[in-house]
Amino acid sequence: EVQLLESGGGFVQPGGSLRLSCAASGFTFSSYAMSWVRQAPGRGLDWVSAISGSASNTYYADSVKGRFTISRDNSNSTLYLQMNSLRAEDTAIYYCVKGYTYTIDYWGQGSLVTVSS
Amino acid sequence: QSVLTQPPSVSAAPGQKVTISCSGSSSNIGNNYVSWYQQLPGTAPNLLIYANNKRPSGIPDRFSGSRSGTSATLDITGLQTGDEADYYCGTWDSSLSTYVFGTGTKVTV
Repeated sequence: EVQLLESGGGFVQPGGSLRLSCAASGFTFSSYAMSWVRQAPGRGLDWVSAISGSASNTYYADSVKGRFTISRDNSNSTLYLQMNSLRAEDTAIYYCVKGYTYTIDYWGQGSLVTVSS
Repeated sequence: QSVLTQPPSVSAAPGQKVTISCSGSSSNIGNNYVSWYQQLPGTAPNLLIYANNKRPSGIPDRFSGSRSGTSATLDITGLQTGDEADYYCGTWDSSLSTYVFGTGTKVTV
């Protein structure tokens, strides 16, 4: 059974940083691209970033480019999202998801990030 | 601001059918596979349809998807109260080089 378990969310002031983690299990982690998708309160889904299985390629939405960094540790089946220079508009539930261009077939339960002064 | 447009809401009585549209362009729906996601209240989204019309194991055949040109459609037949949720289409956009989601549709039974 595929499981994606996020951690690291919380409350941070504007300009601050947070690092999200996602522990994956139930599939061969290194064989699959992984992504982060976020959902602001009461809003729709918004793709944030993706990384190839080997970690050789990374991709970012324009809204987070230069501020967020996606990475992965295939030896520990863990996905990360380092978020710097956070803004109020980054407030959202962040979902760790399996997949990227073809489809997103599994979603984590989400981790809430709140950016406020 | 999403590049895929869905109706904000649809509704029907139990046992009836609803159709949700997803309108895009040649850079996304027109040339890439479409997926559909169901988000029940207070939960994470779940894959409902992939590759335009394929169902993952465990998804009942009451849910079906199709694609024609630059639009896609999700049909839900035999509506149940448990189908009340937000539904999103999603696909790769070759011009933007990003995965894009639809604006979302709330289904009320």
